[in-house]
Amino acid sequence: SQTIHQWPATLVQPVGSPLSLECTVEGTSNPNLYWYRQAAGRGLQLLFYSVGIGQISSEVPQNLSASRPQDRQFILSSKKLLLSDSGFYLCAWINRQGAGELFFGEGSRLTVL
Amino acid sequence: LAKTTQPISMDSYEGQEVNITCSHNNIATNDYITWYQQFPSQGPRFIIQGYKTKVTNEVASLFIPADRKSSTLSLPRVSLSDTAVYYCLVGWGLTGGGNKLTFGTGTQLKVEL
Repeated sequence: SQTIHQWPATLVQPVGSPLSLECTVEGTSNPNLYWYRQAAGRGLQLLFYSVGIGQISSEVPQNLSASRPQDRQFILSSKKLLLSDSGFYLCAWINRQGAGELFFGEGSRLTVL
Repeated sequence: LAKTTQPISMDSYEGQEVNITCSHNNIATNDYITWYQQFPSQGPRFIIQGYKTKVTNEVASLFIPADRKSSTLSLPRVSLSDTAVYYCLVGWGLTGGGNKLTFGTGTQLKVEL
């Protein structure tokens, strides 16, 4: 069966520090991968999506970046965090074959102080 | 890309039927309509998906009129545990194409005794 894992689950970082959130998917191949962010009390904001290794589409110009070094690995990074980067980050995948549903990871809650 | 519009919030009581409508006037011919449920600090979960007419599963029904410019999620006999945010997502064509999946603002459903 397919599973998706995100880590770390929670982190508190000072402003200006770097960030690395990782997401891996198991049990499928060549999925589309997504990073969403949810600020407190708000909806889901699409940050990045990827249709293949090394292929990243950015939806929001900001100090975040994403990479897909392997087929089932998706990484969200920042060189210098801002206060506004605080939020709940969710990784998701979808099977590219046919009608599908998005499967979400457990989420990573980031607090920037 | 089809933009979705939903009511921001709805209130109901246990045992009642709840209908949440989503407008998607510029839905593409190949787009599916998918509904997700999200609890606090969790990723959204798939509820139901449809293309046209009516779809029913063990937890909900989805009504889609002929013009497909709107859809209605119907939750029969809600309980307190149905209190959550509900999102309508339009996209991911019939052949698995369409890579950008953007959520709308969602509907906060509150169920009371």
